[in-house]
Amino acid sequence: EVQLVESGGGLVQPGRSLRLSCAASGFTFDDYAMHWVRQAPGKGLEWVSGISWNSGSIGYADSVKGRFTISRDNAKNSLYLQMNSLRAEDTALYYCAKMETSDFWSDKGWFDPWGQGTLVTVSS
Amino acid sequence: EIVLTQSPGTLSLSPGERATLSCRASQSVSSSYLAWYQQKPGQAPRLLIYGASSRATGIPDRFSGSGSGTDFTLTISRLEPEDFAVYYCQQYGSSSITFGQGTRLEIK
Repeated sequence: EVQLVESGGGLVQPGRSLRLSCAASGFTFDDYAMHWVRQAPGKGLEWVSGISWNSGSIGYADSVKGRFTISRDNAKNSLYLQMNSLRAEDTALYYCAKMETSDFWSDKGWFDPWGQGTLVTVSS
Repeated sequence: EIVLTQSPGTLSLSPGERATLSCRASQSVSSSYLAWYQQKPGQAPRLLIYGASSRATGIPDRFSGSGSGTDFTLTISRLEPEDFAVYYCQQYGSSSITFGQGTRLEIK
């Protein structure tokens, strides 16, 4: 069974940093692109960032570009999101999601499955 | 960036009725690179449809997707009690992936 488990969320002050992790199992991790998608409380879904199978291709939403860094460790079957200079508007549930392709974006750019998410709250 | 607009914002129907959800793109979505997701309270989104009209594994055939270009539709032929949820469309026709704002399907 494919499983994605996020961790690393919590309460952090504005301007500080946080690193999220996503542990993957049940599939050949380095065959697939991986992404982060977030959902602010009571709001819709927002794509955050994606990374190709070999980290050779990476993309970010404009709202996080220059502040967030996505990475992966295929030996550990893990995906990461380093979040710096956090703002109140970054408060959200952050989901890790597998894309049905090895490139970070392609004709198979849908997300399946998703993890259960880790909550990030940015507040003083 | 392609903006997706879903309508209606909320749809109130009864079990057994037919639901039609719309997703309109601000520009043409390449090769029908559009997906639909269902999200229930406290749960992660679940993939329903990809490629505008292909059902994901395990999705009942009462769910169907159609459309191309800028206009896409998710249809639920006969609503079951477990279908009442929020539905999102997503485009992957460009490297800047975007979602619609969602349609809430509620029990009338």
